[in-house]
Amino acid sequence: SYELTQPPSVSVSPGQTARITCSGDALPEKYPYWYQQKSGQAPVLVNYEDNKRPSGIPERFSGSISGTMATLTISGAQVEDEADYYCFSRDNTEIYRVFGGGTKLTVL
Amino acid sequence: QVQFVQSGAEVKRPGASVKVSCRASGYSFTTYAMHWVRQAPGQRPEWMGWISAAVGNTGYSQTFQGRLTLTRDISASTVFMELRNLRSEDTAVYFCARGPPGTILMDVWGKGTTVTVSS
Repeated sequence: SYELTQPPSVSVSPGQTARITCSGDALPEKYPYWYQQKSGQAPVLVNYEDNKRPSGIPERFSGSISGTMATLTISGAQVEDEADYYCFSRDNTEIYRVFGGGTKLTVL
Repeated sequence: QVQFVQSGAEVKRPGASVKVSCRASGYSFTTYAMHWVRQAPGQRPEWMGWISAAVGNTGYSQTFQGRLTLTRDISASTVFMELRNLRSEDTAVYFCARGPPGTILMDVWGKGTTVTVSS
């Protein structure tokens, strides 16, 4: 199997920078996808493939990777960014596609 | 705009099967794959499998091998997910999600269908 590890929670004040990490052995080669999920809703893609953002996603969402750790950075977090964030990727064999355990972002 | 309409909530007994549909609109149906992801209450999402809308090729997570079948109806721009031999642990919200070709990316998701397995 394959595991992606995220911190359970991150808390910041409005306007501060929030950083959510995702660790996995295959990450240097397999850039993760980042999803935002608000309560009772479907996940929404916010960052993918070398720091790309889908249309409609604010510029404050950016992604980076260093070694086996990827980071989703929310620069100037807003109250509306409160949500669960999941990274998603696969292992080097391409057999396992997994989500991280999720990080609950609180902005208050 | 890209939209998915999923079928309604289901309640099933253990051992039964469920078939959930996902009708796509707003894009060229056969250009993309469709993935299925489920999420049990309070848990992380779990990737289940994918189907090529163009040719019907499929790939399944080892977790669901033998219980899961994905099919599609091109004329109706609809993909179907059938899960057999249901157990209580299959209680979850089931999402369809569009997949651009050549990647594991899921870029647009349906709103989800709740499946409850209970005796």
